[in-house]
Amino acid sequence: GQSLEQPSEVTAVEGAIVQINCTYQTSGFYGLSWYQQHDGGAPTFLSYNALDGLEETGRFSSFLSRSDSYGYLLLQELQMKDSASYFCAVRPPALSSGSARQLTFGSGTQLTVLP
Amino acid sequence: NAGVTQTPKFQVLKTGQSMTLQCAQDMNHNSMYWYRQDPGMGLRLIYYSASEGTTDKGEVPNGYNVSRLNKREFSLRLESAAPSQTSVYFCASSERALSNTEAFFGQGTRLTVV
Repeated sequence: GQSLEQPSEVTAVEGAIVQINCTYQTSGFYGLSWYQQHDGGAPTFLSYNALDGLEETGRFSSFLSRSDSYGYLLLQELQMKDSASYFCAVRPPALSSGSARQLTFGSGTQLTVLP
Repeated sequence: NAGVTQTPKFQVLKTGQSMTLQCAQDMNHNSMYWYRQDPGMGLRLIYYSASEGTTDKGEVPNGYNVSRLNKREFSLRLESAAPSQTSVYFCASSERALSNTEAFFGQGTRLTVV
């Protein structure tokens, strides 16, 4: 199976940089994704890492180290609208069976951006 | 751009009642999913349909059934609702089950079982 750990809460001020970490334990590995969810809203896709390194999309970047079973989401120039929950999710290899083949989500990190 | 549409948005049921949550997507995606989200527990997979005509159990299938009616529609049925099924339910779709393409989520159904 798969398990993921993320901090439950992170607080930062507007304009700052914040890093949300995710460590995972999986029987195999196929990629790490990040989703954002505002209160009362639907999760929306932010980024995906299949290989080690940094992927940048505007103010958001995501990093993966497969040897350390670790990744993070980096949010720069924080804005009030970035206050939301952020979920990491892993996708196991195609050789996995049944429900283990599907995305498994972490419990989420609630980011609060203060003025 | 409709994307993934779920109905209803809110529902209150009495213990033992049944209901069906509807989900439709207009992106021609092959795979569809039902998740439940409880406070502090992230999203847990209930059932999924990798392609039209197939359905499989996820992590927490007990108490639920699903139907992949056609490529667009994937419904979730609670035959005899229990208070433990109070949750927010999300339907999602993706191009393929085993690809790395993103999953698109509906706006959720907030279900309370009393």
